[in-house]
Amino acid sequence: SQQGEEDPQALSIQEGENATMNCSYKTSINNLQWYRQNSGRGLVHLILIRSNEREKHSGRLRVTLDTSKKSSSLLITASRAADTASYFCATDAASGGGADGLTFGKGTHLIIQP
Amino acid sequence: NAGVMQNPRHLVRRRGQEARLRCSPMKGHSHVYWYRQLPEEGLKFMVYLQKENIIDESGMPKERFSAEFPKEGPSILRIQQVVRGDSAAYFCASSPPRERGDTQYFGPGTRLTVL
Repeated sequence: SQQGEEDPQALSIQEGENATMNCSYKTSINNLQWYRQNSGRGLVHLILIRSNEREKHSGRLRVTLDTSKKSSSLLITASRAADTASYFCATDAASGGGADGLTFGKGTHLIIQP
Repeated sequence: NAGVMQNPRHLVRRRGQEARLRCSPMKGHSHVYWYRQLPEEGLKFMVYLQKENIIDESGMPKERFSAEFPKEGPSILRIQQVVRGDSAAYFCASSPPRERGDTQYFGPGTRLTVL
């Protein structure tokens, strides 16, 4: 499987509930970033977590990173209809670990039901 | 401070024509990345450039695709003799001139349709 794979592929929850998305990767990384993409739009950067960090918060977002398992999770608390979007994790490979660009997964499509 | 700008936002070409996509990085940013996104897919890295230099083009198709980032003006992604399979959204991102691994800021993308 490719670097930066998210699961689930799609997630539908009720407004107000928490949404958790997971990401797995294969190579050593400098950092891992989460992005949001609304349908037909560009990417919005949400949060960056470095390889020496384990958890990071930003507003209603909480990101964890487990480098031993090569995995990350994105938690969105108290979800809102406006959170409906696709969410991508992207890894920046450590030096010599890959191309200079970010490696994206296929994304989790999150639908918040009002 | 304007964000990353891309133009055109939508581009329609017939098979065999050339497509030119432009990207102006954020002010003060000297690193530019190009990515391609096929429908229902994540973004795939194509090329990483600094002013007047191609740093990494490992994701670029070997033929028909080229990129440049001149000393003056925007970065250009050029696709010659387009085919239907080139239809995709092309995103540009920029980052500041610090150590690699910093946040990349994405433009709104150019959606290329090849008829």
